[in-house]
Amino acid sequence: DVKVTQSSRYLVKRTGEKVFLECVQDMDHENMFWYRQDPGLGLRLIYFSYDVKMKEKGDIPEGYSVSREKKERFSLILESASTNQTSMYLCASRPYNSPLHFGNGTRLTVT
Amino acid sequence: GDSVTQMEGPVTLSEEAFLTINCTYTATGYPSLFWYVQYPGEGLQLLLKATKADDKGSNKGFEATYRKETTSFHLEKGSVQVSDSAVYFCALSDWGNTPLVFGKGTRLSVIA
Repeated sequence: DVKVTQSSRYLVKRTGEKVFLECVQDMDHENMFWYRQDPGLGLRLIYFSYDVKMKEKGDIPEGYSVSREKKERFSLILESASTNQTSMYLCASRPYNSPLHFGNGTRLTVT
Repeated sequence: GDSVTQMEGPVTLSEEAFLTINCTYTATGYPSLFWYVQYPGEGLQLLLKATKADDKGSNKGFEATYRKETTSFHLEKGSVQVSDSAVYFCALSDWGNTPLVFGKGTRLSVIA
C-alpha cells in the first residue's frame, strides 16, 4: 500500500513565524501536491511538483513556497504565518496516469 | 478552466436509504473522473474512478457512471450504512501529471 506521511497532525504557530510542513511518500512517485482544505471551499491547490527541484504554482500560492530536494519529500513553507493560513493542509502524490494518494493531513492553527 | 460542481450538503439519511450525490463537470478535453471519500480525522481516499465515457466505477456498494452527454458523474448507493458517514468529493483530471480539480465536497450523515 502507498503511504504518504505528513509529519504533524496538529500544529499551533504564532503570527509571523516561519512554518515547515513536511510530507514523505514511499512509492517513488514523480508527482507531489499540496492542497489546503477549508469548510465551504473544498480543496484548493497550493503548489505541485513533477520532479526533484521542480515546482509549479497552483491556484493559491501566495504566502507559500515549497521545496523538493529529494523525490520522496515535498515540503510546504509558510514564510511568515498569518491567521488566514489557519487550515487543514493535505499532501498527495501520484505516479503518471494514476489516482492521487493522500496523507492524513496537518491541521495548522495560527494565533 | 476545468471545474467540478457537486451538490451542497449536508445530506442526512436514515440507514438503508438510497443515496445520490450529484456531480457535474466542465472540461475542455476528455478527463478522468473520480470520487474520493474523507472519513473523520483522515485524509482523502479514492472511492472509485472512470476514465472514459460510459465507464461505470464501483466500490463498496457505491457506483458512478461517466455521462459525457450530460457532463455528469453522480454517486449512488442503494442502501447506506452509518459507517458511510463521511465527506465525499468529486474530482476530475486530464490524467498524466496534471493536478486533480475537486468539487467542494458533500458531507453525508447516516443515522441509525
